[in-house]
Amino acid sequence: GIQVEQSPPDLILQEGANSTLRCNFSDSVNNLQWFHQNPWGQLINLFYIPSGTKQNGRLSATTVATERYSLLYISSSQTTDSGVYFCAGYSGGGADGLTFGKGTHLIIQP
Amino acid sequence: DVKVTQSSRYLVKRTGEKVFLECVQDMDHENMFWYRQDPGLGLRLIYFSYDVKMKEKGDIPEGYSVSREKKERFSLILESASTNQTSMYLCASGGGRHTEAFFGQGTRLTVV
Repeated sequence: GIQVEQSPPDLILQEGANSTLRCNFSDSVNNLQWFHQNPWGQLINLFYIPSGTKQNGRLSATTVATERYSLLYISSSQTTDSGVYFCAGYSGGGADGLTFGKGTHLIIQP
Repeated sequence: DVKVTQSSRYLVKRTGEKVFLECVQDMDHENMFWYRQDPGLGLRLIYFSYDVKMKEKGDIPEGYSVSREKKERFSLILESASTNQTSMYLCASGGGRHTEAFFGQGTRLTVV
């Protein structure tokens, strides 16, 4: 299966700052998602983005499928943005699930 | 609004007990998955199902089994719970080749 690497593993920022989270894949993917894990453990969908660019409020994401990476941008960070961000990809021919990176632990300080 | 519901948010069971974790989706998805999440190890796939009564092993199936009698329901079974199965369990629906995956709220299981 594919390998998914996320960077940085940890990030501490002040409120109002911007950040970029990166996800690299060892092989091409045909399904790529970004999630935010809330303090109660639930994975919240941020973007479904196999290729191209999408924006949702202060968050945007870009996937360059040919170069096997995706970026998540968070602008004007708020304390509620804190948590763990995961990217996950799928490259198989069957329904064998998403492969997750280890996540980026983001802390936004007031 | 899409919905994936897990039967319990927190669960405490004794070693050796048979444990059932239930997951229900309302999106008519064919694919459903069970993951476990542990600190330092990330999310790992236990089992998945791509149709009713169909199941496939994921990366760490040992000690687990599953049941999919109806399309909307996917159950994870711990045949004889052990302390090393203490973990966060996450159910997902959808996913696969060109379909977005959605997760339930998670079940934090403690085996004592």
